[in-house]
Amino acid sequence: GESVGLHLPTLSVQEGDNSIINCAYSNSASDYFIWYKQESGKGPQFIIDIRSNMDKRQGQRVTVLLNKTVKHLSLQIAATQPGDSAVYFCAENGSGNTGKLIFGQGTTLQVKP
Amino acid sequence: DVKVTQSSRYLVKRTGEKVFLECVQDMDHENMFWYRQDPGLGLRLIYFSYDVKMKEKGDIPEGYSVSREKKERFSLILESASTNQTSMYLCASRGPGTSEKLFFGSGTQLSVL
Repeated sequence: GESVGLHLPTLSVQEGDNSIINCAYSNSASDYFIWYKQESGKGPQFIIDIRSNMDKRQGQRVTVLLNKTVKHLSLQIAATQPGDSAVYFCAENGSGNTGKLIFGQGTTLQVKP
Repeated sequence: DVKVTQSSRYLVKRTGEKVFLECVQDMDHENMFWYRQDPGLGLRLIYFSYDVKMKEKGDIPEGYSVSREKKERFSLILESASTNQTSMYLCASRGPGTSEKLFFGSGTQLSVL
């Protein structure tokens, strides 16, 4: 079945360092990928997305990399700040053009001051 | 900005009660979704709706029903609440066209005693 998995449940980084959160997906038919950030007590918030016709997309302090060959997605956060502490989810759109997203289980990012 | 509002932040109900979770979005989105979020399991899709009075089962619809009488409102109904339905419930909406980005509400933490 389809699954989206994050490599590590918890990632701890020092404030100011760069963070890399990884995600593996299983459905090679997926052509849309998205990252969400969820802070404690809040709903998931959109960070950045990417389509399969691209392998890199940049936002403000964030970059998403897509490697379709190995079905791997990563989120890079530059100069990590305490406000970046949250759970990060990747998601893919799967196959069949259903309009549904399939979510991974999430990685908790802890930023040490 | 899109606003998705869930009527309750916390709910405590007793086993066997009928429970209504309400969600309203203000961007005239056709598509609305209900997910539940549990530790270690990520976000799982319960039901979704493509239009008024339309509904589709997600991955875990058992024990739930939904209602979409107006475009802006999507209700999740637990006909007879059980303790295994204790969870965080997240509502989301998505606009038309090729955008697959979901906009989430803040969530309702439901405890069934």
